[in-house]
Amino acid sequence: EAQVTQNPRYLITVTGKKLTVTCSQNMNHEYMSWYRQDPGLGLRQIYYSMNVEVTDKGDVPEGYKVSRKEKRNFPLILESPSPNQTSLYFCAIGGTSGSSYNEQFFGPGTRLTVL
Amino acid sequence: RKEVEQDPGPFNVPEGATVAFNCTYSNSASQSFFWYRQDCRKEPKLLMSVYSSGNEDGRFTAQLNRASQYISLLIRDSKLSDSATYLCVVTPFSGGYNKLIFGAGTRLAVHP
Repeated sequence: EAQVTQNPRYLITVTGKKLTVTCSQNMNHEYMSWYRQDPGLGLRQIYYSMNVEVTDKGDVPEGYKVSRKEKRNFPLILESPSPNQTSLYFCAIGGTSGSSYNEQFFGPGTRLTVL
Repeated sequence: RKEVEQDPGPFNVPEGATVAFNCTYSNSASQSFFWYRQDCRKEPKLLMSVYSSGNEDGRFTAQLNRASQYISLLIRDSKLSDSATYLCVVTPFSGGYNKLIFGAGTRLAVHP
């Protein structure tokens, strides 16, 4: 079964204090993505990665960075968090071909509060 | 205008009821369509894909109308365990990039 882990699951921090949310997968999937979920807005894509060292912006990339140095890990970095980045964050993985193409598996979520 | 629009609900229905959710999408070139289910404070999970011919999975039936850019989900014989938020999802591209565009979700509450 596909497994996506995120850490931390909950985080309260203050404006400007750099933080990293980790995402790790055990499925050897090429595609990994970060979303944020806010009430009334649905999930919006922040960044995605098609493979190692291949990343690109999603719809709401401002204030975020990512890296993909290994296939299994896709950390989300907030260099200088601000209160408008308070949200529920999900990492997702997916295949880019074959039977895994259409389904994405999501991690359990990270609830971030920036004071 | 949002790319994917759903009635936010909530839909409050008794056990055993039939309930239908609708979703519209704005990009006529959208390629693939899905319904995801999200329990409170949990991650979304794929419920079913939606095909032009319509498809059924047990008590769940999904329909797609490309001409009207409209997707529906019908749940028959509702169970308490069906209480969740249902997310309408489309992909704008074909090929190897599986970007998902999510609706904000429709909340369903099934009561005894």
